[in-house]
Amino acid sequence: RKEVEQDPGPFNVPEGATVAFNCTYSNSASQSFFWYRQDCRKEPKLLMSVYSSGNEDGRFTAQLNRASQYISLLIRDSKLSDSATYLCVVNPDPYNQGGKLIFGQGTELSVKP
Amino acid sequence: EADIYQTPRYLVIGTGKKITLECSQTMGHDKMYWYQQDPGMELHLIHYSYGVNSTEKGDLSSESTVSRIRTEHFPLTLESARPSHTSQYLCASREKGIKGNSPLHFGNGTRLTVT
Repeated sequence: RKEVEQDPGPFNVPEGATVAFNCTYSNSASQSFFWYRQDCRKEPKLLMSVYSSGNEDGRFTAQLNRASQYISLLIRDSKLSDSATYLCVVNPDPYNQGGKLIFGQGTELSVKP
Repeated sequence: EADIYQTPRYLVIGTGKKITLECSQTMGHDKMYWYQQDPGMELHLIHYSYGVNSTEKGDLSSESTVSRIRTEHFPLTLESARPSHTSQYLCASREKGIKGNSPLHFGNGTRLTVT
């Protein structure tokens, strides 16, 4: 089992749709979580950190479920410009001694007119 | 906006050449990373560093080496390039943070082609 697994894509949705991605992680001691966005042939860019109580940034909402060991990303009113690959990133080290962050394989989103 | 720079942006080189990919950051971050990513595929960690004079191999076996003599500089070297090294190489950094909650900041990558 991979340490971090994401919903397999691609997700093809019409403009204006609401879409949700899930990401599961295997290490229950993991402390910090992030969603990144990666456009084709570009570097990943931070979309948002995921906080324990959940957090929202405009049309984007991130949730953490520690009991079930997953995080989610909800995109409301999707735009054409939301088309990208969304990467789930987990820091499995609860003491911040290590440096390794674990990336999921990514979920591709394609928003159509 | 993160200040992390990679050069060159694109590199086409012949088999057997020695190459060094440069990565510098001006944020004073102690942790730095090199990832390799083929088009449409996952990122794979190949090297990372906790700080000056500290380097570790990542999850993906790599024939490259790294050094960390200065905080801001984390170059990656291939002693003898091969076509199998053709890929995109992404450098990243992050500060220590509290409980590891500082995110990664990526450079814009070096796209390497070995002919």
